[in-house]
Amino acid sequence: NAGVMQNPRHLVRRRGQEARLRCSPMKGHSHVYWYRQLPEEGLKFMVYLQKENIIDESGMPKERFSAEFPKEGPSILRIQQVVRGDSAAYFCASSANTGYNEQFFGPGTRLTVL
Amino acid sequence: EDQVTQSPEALRLQEGESSSLNCSYTVSGLRGLFWYRQDPGKGPEFLFTLYSAGEEKEKERLKATLTKKESFLHITAPKPEDSATYLCAVQASGSGYALNFGKGTSLLVTP
Repeated sequence: NAGVMQNPRHLVRRRGQEARLRCSPMKGHSHVYWYRQLPEEGLKFMVYLQKENIIDESGMPKERFSAEFPKEGPSILRIQQVVRGDSAAYFCASSANTGYNEQFFGPGTRLTVL
Repeated sequence: EDQVTQSPEALRLQEGESSSLNCSYTVSGLRGLFWYRQDPGKGPEFLFTLYSAGEEKEKERLKATLTKKESFLHITAPKPEDSATYLCAVQASGSGYALNFGKGTSLLVTP
């Protein structure tokens, strides 16, 4: 019974490059959430998606960040032209039905920007 | 603005020494309060959801309770393997389905 899967687990990028983070939700889950955990800070919500729809992107930075959850395949969080301040752990969570349900988290992707 | 404050920031217990972690919250309307456990280098692991004041849930040595202003995570006779960071999060009725997390309590249980 596989849980939420994220890859890569670690990602190193130089300033100005693009980062692509992938998330496969738990089997049977169709709701995906992305959170960011900066050093010494709590988890911060970024975006909530269902298949082919962005439901809530109120936590996404206005520039350089985008997310998608296509009909087929994993959800992707894309960060263009990364800067050092983007270095953080990015976690994906999934839930079964509406957002009322518990959110189950993946192991995270640790992004380091050199 | 919704706020979640956890205390203490860090707690050190001897094995078998029971204690409680606190999560105070301010939200416009509470949909649910969630407790997670996070080990270093890993993602948060779901523990409990509480929906209304007076509700209690238990799992092994952990018991979570909820009032209108705060939640407690009681740890009875902890073991070293209970060492982790415990996170509290609220889901507010006016804020979509995002979880608003506190900064966590780092628990260390020594033998």
